[in-house]
Amino acid sequence: DARVTQTPRHKVTEMGQEVTMRCQPILGHNTVFWYRQTMMQGLELLAYFRNRAPLDDSGMPKDRFSAEMPDATLATLKIQPSEPRDSAVYFCASGLVGKNTEAFFGQGTRLTVV
Amino acid sequence: EDQVTQSPEALRLQEGESSSLNCSYTVSGLRGLFWYRQDPGKGPEFLFTLYSAGEEKEKERLKATLTKKESFLHITAPKPEDSATYLCAVRRGFGNEKLTFGTGTRLTIIP
Repeated sequence: DARVTQTPRHKVTEMGQEVTMRCQPILGHNTVFWYRQTMMQGLELLAYFRNRAPLDDSGMPKDRFSAEMPDATLATLKIQPSEPRDSAVYFCASGLVGKNTEAFFGQGTRLTVV
Repeated sequence: EDQVTQSPEALRLQEGESSSLNCSYTVSGLRGLFWYRQDPGKGPEFLFTLYSAGEEKEKERLKATLTKKESFLHITAPKPEDSATYLCAVRRGFGNEKLTFGTGTRLTIIP
């Protein structure tokens, strides 16, 4: 059963600490997205990659957020330093350009910054 | 800029009471309108993709339709297990896989 896997599922951290969220996309998918979901804003795109290359990170605060794909099986989203306003659920999704064009989402990482 | 507006924000129905959810969109060169279902504490689950006005897709009690300005998700004789938040998203242009989401409709089906 192919699925997107995110770790950790929950993270509580103190303001100023570094947070790293990880995502394993569905094997063979060549597009990876990072979304943030809050009650106020809904789902917002932070960044997305195609074939491991970043294509759009305009939704991401560049001074504290960074997204990378070290290899085809791992995507990471880092926040350094974290702030209380970063508290949200972060979702990773993957898809395959040109065929199954829908994106499949992981279960998310619920981040709380205190 | 792409915009997606969903209405109503919340909808409560009795079991068996049919209704429709609305998704209005503004996008340059629509290349897919997507419906997702999201249960509490979980990620969005893909339901349908619609590509052109007049297209319809069905899955169990759900039917999605598309016009040039909006999409409807019709739910027929819903059951309590259909309770969830339903999200609509659009994708535009070629070479751009980004999905822009609406804020969703929270549907509650009362037994």
